[in-house]
Amino acid sequence: GDSVTQMEGPVTLSEEAFLTINCTYTATGYPSLFWYVQYPGEGLQLLLKATKADDKGSNKGFEATYRKETTSFHLEKGSVQVSDSAVYFCALRPTQGGSEKLVFGKGTKLTVNP
Amino acid sequence: DSGVTQTPKHLITATGQRVTLRCSPRSGDLSVYWYQQSLDQGLQFLIQYYNGEERAKGNILERFSAQQFPDLHSELNLSSLELGDSALYFCASSRAGMNTEAFFGQGTRLTVV
Repeated sequence: GDSVTQMEGPVTLSEEAFLTINCTYTATGYPSLFWYVQYPGEGLQLLLKATKADDKGSNKGFEATYRKETTSFHLEKGSVQVSDSAVYFCALRPTQGGSEKLVFGKGTKLTVNP
Repeated sequence: DSGVTQTPKHLITATGQRVTLRCSPRSGDLSVYWYQQSLDQGLQFLIQYYNGEERAKGNILERFSAQQFPDLHSELNLSSLELGDSALYFCASSRAGMNTEAFFGQGTRLTVV
């Protein structure tokens, strides 16, 4: 079945460091890919998305590129801030099966220290 | 604020009991999804409703059921509760279409004691 694998962390960085969180997926066809962020005590918020191969999603300095050949959607940010501390979830939405449900990875907790 | 409202925010109940979680989707969203978030299982899709009809089922236990009402709000009913049902339950809503964004509520934290 469809699945998402992301690096489990936790990840601890200093402010202004470079961030990469790896995400790979298994799916039939061409799923849409998403990164969601969950701040402490809150629900999930969409960070960025890409709907077809080679698309780049970007938002708030974060970027991820849909790589069909490596079935990956790695999240990157050039300079993290303390306010980026949160849990990040990679997710896919299958294109087959008739449902728009999201399949999530297990999440990666990021802590950014000043 | 995502526009998705979940009540209650916290719920503490005893084993064997039954509870109802409520979700009001964003205005205009016809799809409602329920997810369970636990430390060991991560985020698990439970069930989806679209305009009042069940559309997809995931890892939902037989002790759990859901429905979507004509005004599009949804309820998730959990019965014969066990300690292992303690988790954060999220509702999300979206418009129709494969590339549309799902908006999440803040969740209901259920603690079974």
